[in-house]
Amino acid sequence: EAQVTQNPRYLITVTGKKLTVTCSQNMNHEYMSWYRQDPGLGLRQIYYSMNVEVTDKGDVPEGYKVSRKEKRNFPLILESPSPNQTSLYFCASSLSWQGQETQYFGPGTRLLVL
Amino acid sequence: AQTVTQSQPEMSVQEAETVTLSCTYDTSESDYYLFWYKQPPSRQMILVIRQEAYKQQNATENRFSVNFQKAAKSFSLKISDSQLGDAAMYFCAYRKTSYDKVIFGPGTSLSVIP
Repeated sequence: EAQVTQNPRYLITVTGKKLTVTCSQNMNHEYMSWYRQDPGLGLRQIYYSMNVEVTDKGDVPEGYKVSRKEKRNFPLILESPSPNQTSLYFCASSLSWQGQETQYFGPGTRLLVL
Repeated sequence: AQTVTQSQPEMSVQEAETVTLSCTYDTSESDYYLFWYKQPPSRQMILVIRQEAYKQQNATENRFSVNFQKAAKSFSLKISDSQLGDAAMYFCAYRKTSYDKVIFGPGTSLSVIP
């Protein structure tokens, strides 16, 4: 089954404790992206990657890191989480970066930083 | 900078009736893509419909159709014969044709009344 998977689905952590949210797709997609969703703000893009070893900042990259060493994986790293990073996070992928390509979203990761 | 606005934070519709969700956007581009995504209580993001700006014909997908007014920069979603399963948050999104990020609106929460 073609899908985007994220782990963990739920995470409670404390301020300053490094964490990684994994994202994997099995569709051989070139483009991958991370979003955060907050009430009243919709989805905001954190980072995106057009292909292996090619990443760029979205609208809200502060406090986050990403890497794209393999085509299928695009982990999101919070080196020192803070309470304002409490949010619902989505990973998405599409066949390419072309505008018409449909993005496929993962199930979301709900993060609470205490 | 491009922005996407959804002026209706909440809407409701009677089952089997028709409802229209509004979306306006700001861009200086002539070619771009517009999307409507549905997010049910499960939080999964689902693509509902897509419109290419260069196409004058409004996109339709079964009970879902759009009214795309390029000059007015308006992109409304019409849901006909509303069903209980249509209850969800709906997000309007914009993407340039070239390498660029996707910009989401803040969302409209749709309730369907039996």
